[in-house]
Amino acid sequence: ETGVTQSPTHLIKTRGQQVTLRCSSQSGHNTVSWYQQALGQGPQFIFQYYREEENGRGNFPPRFSGLQFPNYSSELNVNALELDDSALYLCASTTGGTPITGELFFGEGSRLTVL
Amino acid sequence: GENVEQHPSTLSVQEGDSAVIKCTYSDSASNYFPWYKQELGKGPQLIIDIRSNVGEKKDQRIAVTLNKTAKHFSLHITETQPEDSAVYFCAASKGYNFNKFYFGSGTKLNVKP
Repeated sequence: ETGVTQSPTHLIKTRGQQVTLRCSSQSGHNTVSWYQQALGQGPQFIFQYYREEENGRGNFPPRFSGLQFPNYSSELNVNALELDDSALYLCASTTGGTPITGELFFGEGSRLTVL
Repeated sequence: GENVEQHPSTLSVQEGDSAVIKCTYSDSASNYFPWYKQELGKGPQLIIDIRSNVGEKKDQRIAVTLNKTAKHFSLHITETQPEDSAVYFCAASKGYNFNKFYFGSGTKLNVKP
């Protein structure tokens, strides 16, 4: 069974640039959620995708956008980067089916630094 | 929205001692409360969870208790081992499909050999 994989693992951008982060969900999972984890903080919900549709969004501005593809992999795009966007971005997949266990399977994250 | 508070932020115990981490939540509609363990350089991993229709759940050395009236839940680790050293997060979610989780700010547990 293949776990959740994310790329890239680390990247550095400058203010105003755009970034795309990628996530491959765990085998058999059709739901992907993205979380932002600032240093020393808990993960904060950005949004979730289920069967290629956005299925819930947290308190993040529209410059945070996402996509889910037919193979259930996902992208997180952030435009007009700000210094406060520096964080670990975590992708988590779940089955989204029945029974719904609630367990999130996290990848190891993409560490974004904005200078 | 939901607000989850977690205490303490750091906890240092001697190997073999017990550790307790506490969380409170604000939304009485929350009905699912997982605990995640995050080791350095890795994503969080579920260690135990509890639903609102249960007051306590145990899995070997780990237990979670839930007090719905007071809106707080706790993680108990007994006979701690050095490999228990990590950051622990509590979380809360509600509804049927658990599409959104609210996490606490984390507790860094250090188990001294």
